[in-house]
Amino acid sequence: EAGVAQSPRYKIIEKRQSVAFWCNPISGHATLYWYQQILGQGPKLLIQFQNNGVVDDSQLPKDRFSAERLKGVDSTLKIQPAKLEDSAVYLCASSLPFRGAGTEAFFGQGTRLTVV
Amino acid sequence: DAKTTQPNSMESNEEEPVHLPCNHSTISGTDYIHWYRQLPSQGPEYVIHGLTSNVNNRMASLAIAEDRKSSTLILHRATLRDAAVYYCILRWIQGAQKLVFGQGTRLTINP
Repeated sequence: EAGVAQSPRYKIIEKRQSVAFWCNPISGHATLYWYQQILGQGPKLLIQFQNNGVVDDSQLPKDRFSAERLKGVDSTLKIQPAKLEDSAVYLCASSLPFRGAGTEAFFGQGTRLTVV
Repeated sequence: DAKTTQPNSMESNEEEPVHLPCNHSTISGTDYIHWYRQLPSQGPEYVIHGLTSNVNNRMASLAIAEDRKSSTLILHRATLRDAAVYYCILRWIQGAQKLVFGQGTRLTINP
């Protein structure tokens, strides 16, 4: 079974530029998560989708971050304009629809963003 | 979201058992206890989860206190590949199925 695919693996941009990350979840997984992980910290949930609807985006800095999940499959996360503090690994995860809180989430390898 | 408390770091020796503690004194009756781990330069991976009873799988065992205010992840025979950050997470049985990570415990395995 193919895992969660993310691209690119690495990205270096200058501050105030824009950047986009792509995620292809495991086939059939209705739930998709985007996380930001700053070096030395645990992953921080940015946004959670159920199919193509947003379930939670309370931690997403909406003035510069946006995310969409068209047709309930692939998803993109965009930052515009980027700041130095956005340097982090961006992780995508997916899981099957709710099955009583035991549903396992599968993570991609992440995209390492460096803002200079 | 109910909070969990874990030690920042732990150290153990190869081929010995490891007991990773987690406190969750504000856990509700409908919270499941999940454990994930993150190997260096990789995304987190699921380890195990439970509600009330102790659980075993091929990776680890989960021991849950009778009052459910604490739990322990047990690696029966640690290998160097088990060196990772281990996260204890509470997930509500209903609702949005959020998966919220804390700081975790960084486990070092000595050869």
